[in-house]
Amino acid sequence: GAVVSQHPSRVICKSGTSVKIECRSLDFQATTMFWYRQFPKQSLMLMATSNEGSKATYEQGVEKDKFLINHASLTLSTLTVTSAHPEDSSFYICSARGLAEPQETQYFGPGTRLLVL
Amino acid sequence: EDKVVQSPLSLVVHEGDTVTLNCSYEVTNFRSLLWYKQEKKAPTFLFMLTSSGIEKKSGRLSSILDKKELFSILNITATQTGDSAVYLCAVLNDMRFGAGTRLTVKP
Repeated sequence: GAVVSQHPSRVICKSGTSVKIECRSLDFQATTMFWYRQFPKQSLMLMATSNEGSKATYEQGVEKDKFLINHASLTLSTLTVTSAHPEDSSFYICSARGLAEPQETQYFGPGTRLLVL
Repeated sequence: EDKVVQSPLSLVVHEGDTVTLNCSYEVTNFRSLLWYKQEKKAPTFLFMLTSSGIEKKSGRLSSILDKKELFSILNITATQTGDSAVYLCAVLNDMRFGAGTRLTVKP
């Protein structure tokens, strides 16, 4: 099946630093990528949707200047958490949607666990 | 605003029981509904449902969509402890998830 990778899988950083998370679709072209955040024992919360070559669409309440999303190619999207604070500690997951006949495919990356000290 | 509601939020059963999980939705321009299973890490794909009334089956799991009543169910028969997980549904349009159903299967 389709594979989506995320890197890094785990990151610990100091408060005030920026962290970049990469999401790659390995064997298909992703027309759209979705970024989620998940706190313990809660469901996935959609942060933003990005289409290749255009600006991301952010969900209400998600600061676009804090969570920078770049979808520069059909196989790569990045999420940069700028000036991270302890409350940004969470599990970040991407999902990639591609075109695979007879229907679209949508698969998740393995997630990135971010801990901000 | 589009909405996806799952019920129950939590369910505890014993091995061998059959469970039915519910997902109702209110979305504009509905395309498909997806079910996922999440254990410790990222969700794994179970089913994509696009047409009403057609059951999708994978082993002990099955799912069906009712586009008239705007809901889907996920059935798990002869549950095993390995089925313990959070089951999530989302609509394909915007990939917003419901809150999930936390299923615990006791030996």
